[in-house]
Amino acid sequence: EVQLVESGGGLVLPGRSLRLSCTASGFTFGDYAMTWFRQAPGKGLEWVGFIRSKTYGGTTENAASVEGRFTISRDDSKNIAYLQMSSLKTEDTALYYCTRVIIGVVWYFDLWGRGTLVTVSS
Amino acid sequence: DIQMTQSPSSLSASAGDRVTITCRASQSISSNLNWYQQKSGKAPYLLIYAASTLQSGVPSRFSGSGSGTAFTLTISSLQPEDFATYYCQQSYNTPWTFGQGTNVEIK
Repeated sequence: EVQLVESGGGLVLPGRSLRLSCTASGFTFGDYAMTWFRQAPGKGLEWVGFIRSKTYGGTTENAASVEGRFTISRDDSKNIAYLQMSSLKTEDTALYYCTRVIIGVVWYFDLWGRGTLVTVSS
Repeated sequence: DIQMTQSPSSLSASAGDRVTITCRASQSISSNLNWYQQKSGKAPYLLIYAASTLQSGVPSRFSGSGSGTAFTLTISSLQPEDFATYYCQQSYNTPWTFGQGTNVEIK
């Protein structure tokens, strides 16, 4: 089955770190860019960052709100994308989704995981 | 950053109604516009990409149109399973941004 499964969320103190994982199955993970979005409780969707496939250098881009604090990486041998979050703030509290990126005439996100909840609170 | 503005923010409709949601971009994004449906407690689901291309498996009652700065999502005959929140999203450049969402409720 083609799917993405996020894990690693939980309750964390402000200023601490947390690493989320996104495990892919059912498709050739290494061929795709992957991206992370988040959704604060009762709010809309916000892009967090993405990582290109190794074919395109495996480089990353992050949203300004997380630049310098969050790092995206990937391990194609394990079919996992990671979101390393540090210096967490209460405003980082959200449901974090990973998605597969389709790069064609336009870029779009065709496969989403169920999300993992991160709560930053003292 | 490109701002995406949807209207209305919410609407009430009955099964069988024709529903239209509008999305405007703060600058031209050509056809780099995608639409997603999100049901309560679920992940977003891709409906339409490149402004008007229906994602595989999406019912044909959904359609999209527009280019530049103005786009629409139309549901030709609303079905009970279509009650959800709909988001437009631009992929013209990063940061990729979404509209605030349109909540389609049962009248």
